Amino acid sequence: AQTVTQSQPEMSVQEAETVTLSCTYDTSESDYYLFWYKQPPSRQMILVIRQEAYKQQNATENRFSVNFQKAAKSFSLKISDSQLGDAAMYFCAYRGNRDDKIIFGKGTRLHILP
Amino acid sequence: GAVVSQHPSRVICKSGTSVKIECRSLDFQATTMFWYRQFPKQSLMLMATSNEGSKATYEQGVEKDKFLINHASLTLSTLTVTSAHPEDSSFYICSALENRGTQPQHFGDGTRLSIL
Repeated sequence: AQTVTQSQPEMSVQEAETVTLSCTYDTSESDYYLFWYKQPPSRQMILVIRQEAYKQQNATENRFSVNFQKAAKSFSLKISDSQLGDAAMYFCAYRGNRDDKIIFGKGTRLHILP
Repeated sequence: GAVVSQHPSRVICKSGTSVKIECRSLDFQATTMFWYRQFPKQSLMLMATSNEGSKATYEQGVEKDKFLINHASLTLSTLTVTSAHPEDSSFYICSALENRGTQPQHFGDGTRLSIL
């Protein structure tokens, strides 16, 4: 069975600094999709970034980028120039190619220090 | 962008009441819809997957008779919590998938259910 592990329950970063959130996963599939979702206090789930496993190039969305290491089954999220609005719970998620179910990690709560 | 509407956003009711939560895809047809449950400070737990016109597939440990799911059309899925009790109090979130592949799931804003 697939699993997603986020080993950092909480992290803090100074405003304008860079922070990296870790995520590892376990799967026997070769084709799959990885996502980072943000959940602010409103509890709305917001897609931050996504990565297709067959693509070697790391995905980037403005200040958000990932470091996808397929062999190591690692999918970390880097947030550059952190802003107060980035404070939220961040979930790493996996979706296999056989079905459409998403498996979420336990989440990392990110605090932004002014 | 794709919008998923979930209603109601907040429900407070007495123990023994049945509660229905609706999940609608507003500007796309959802081939599949998902229902999640989230306890405070925890992750999303998948309860069931529903496809239009067929029975929902429930995850292990989720009571089918307790959580009734109906996916009547390509734009509407409903979750009914039958004879709700205080332990059913939680945050319920739906999501909808337009197509398979790289398309992500689109999430509703969630329903906070409180059973007194």
